[in-house]
Amino acid sequence: GEDVEQSLFLSVREGDSSVINCTYTDSSSTYLYWYKQEPGAGLQLLTYIFSNMDMKQDQRLTVLLNKKDKHLSLRIADTQTGDSAIYFCAENTGGSYIPTFGRGTSLIVHP
Amino acid sequence: DAGVTQSPTHLIKTRGQHVTLRCSPISGHKSVSWYQQVLGQGPQFIFQYYEKEERGRGNFPDRFSARQFPNYSSELNVNALLLGDSALYLCASSPGSGGGTEAFFGQGTRLTVV
Repeated sequence: GEDVEQSLFLSVREGDSSVINCTYTDSSSTYLYWYKQEPGAGLQLLTYIFSNMDMKQDQRLTVLLNKKDKHLSLRIADTQTGDSAIYFCAENTGGSYIPTFGRGTSLIVHP
Repeated sequence: DAGVTQSPTHLIKTRGQHVTLRCSPISGHKSVSWYQQVLGQGPQFIFQYYEKEERGRGNFPDRFSARQFPNYSSELNVNALLLGDSALYLCASSPGSGGGTEAFFGQGTRLTVV
């Protein structure tokens, strides 16, 4: 199976919260990342969390890490139409920045 | 400040040809990484260079090669192109090569092999 798994689609109403989930298999993962990719664009790093943390908050974004279950989530509060994009979860093991990406979750925000 | 710049933005090549993709990192960044993103998939790591030395290589055939120049810009070369090489090729630059480094991605080069 894949090293990093994500559901492919999520549809939410504008103003609601979005929760994008990710599971990974490598228990020695040290960093876990969330990237955003808008159509025709490269990847934008939204946030990352070190494996000894269980939560990180940055404005509308909240990352939760359950290391025991190897589960990572990204919550976007007050989701806006501009948040529509593909969100990638990635994990990194070891000292070098060589992340393994999931297939991405396409977030669709409708009015 | 200029972000990561990649050239060209789009490219069409024929099977069997060779292609060179270019990347200029953010000023002051010494690490450049290359990724292949096939439609509908996440990016797959190809190479990482730091201070002109290869620091990591993904599971890609020897047809793929790269190098980093003294000014930290980088080239990705692909020989004997196959239809399956059609993808978005992304370059990322970062100050260092470690796991906690923040990597900035370019817009990518869309390669189509026909």
